[in-house]
Amino acid sequence: SQQGEEDPQALSIQEGENATMNCSYKTSINNLQWYRQNSGRGLVHLILIRSNEREKHSGRLRVTLDTSKKSSSLLITASRAADTASYFCATDHKGGSARQLTFGSGTQLTVLP
Amino acid sequence: EAQVTQNPRYLITVTGKKLTVTCSQNMNHEYMSWYRQDPGLGLRQIYYSMNVEVTDKGDVPEGYKVSRKEKRNFPLILESPSPNQTSLYFCASSSQTSGRADTQYFGPGTRLTVL
Repeated sequence: SQQGEEDPQALSIQEGENATMNCSYKTSINNLQWYRQNSGRGLVHLILIRSNEREKHSGRLRVTLDTSKKSSSLLITASRAADTASYFCATDHKGGSARQLTFGSGTQLTVLP
Repeated sequence: EAQVTQNPRYLITVTGKKLTVTCSQNMNHEYMSWYRQDPGLGLRQIYYSMNVEVTDKGDVPEGYKVSRKEKRNFPLILESPSPNQTSLYFCASSSQTSGRADTQYFGPGTRLTVL
């Protein structure tokens, strides 16, 4: 069953702007991860945030987690054309099978040069 | 280079003709998994394996089989493919350091068309 749902489904911005994507989920989690997928390619792990963390940074990426609202956001600062891709959140939910991630349907980000 | 490989990358077949998609990882990961990706549905897990000879169903296991006889390999078998199995398939692997679902490393994908 779908656990994480990304919002918006599609986002188009100009190079240099910031891009924010959101993920909502339904049941309590152990961790939440963000992945990137270039068209038709395999997913690449970006960042993992655990349920006891509120914010995490990695380069131009900033992820926040609000467990009370069951939501997370991914911020990409100073976007580049090369950031054009689909972004997925994935959740490891409590009570679920160990080692089973549930993926959302993704946000398609287009960065215009 | 640490990687997950899948073969074939593209496959067109006909209904009912058995096929196998291979997956191999060179990172000594205990955990391996298969997903299918369909437009608007994101990734859905088909099967996963916690270690050699240990496999379990994911969310959409019907019509698929897997085996895990060696740590590095995790083939996906479609005994009698049907058109609704036309999809993009990904294999992934992960270490088991935390005991939970940590970072997964994905293969490049196999695009399967069943006519």
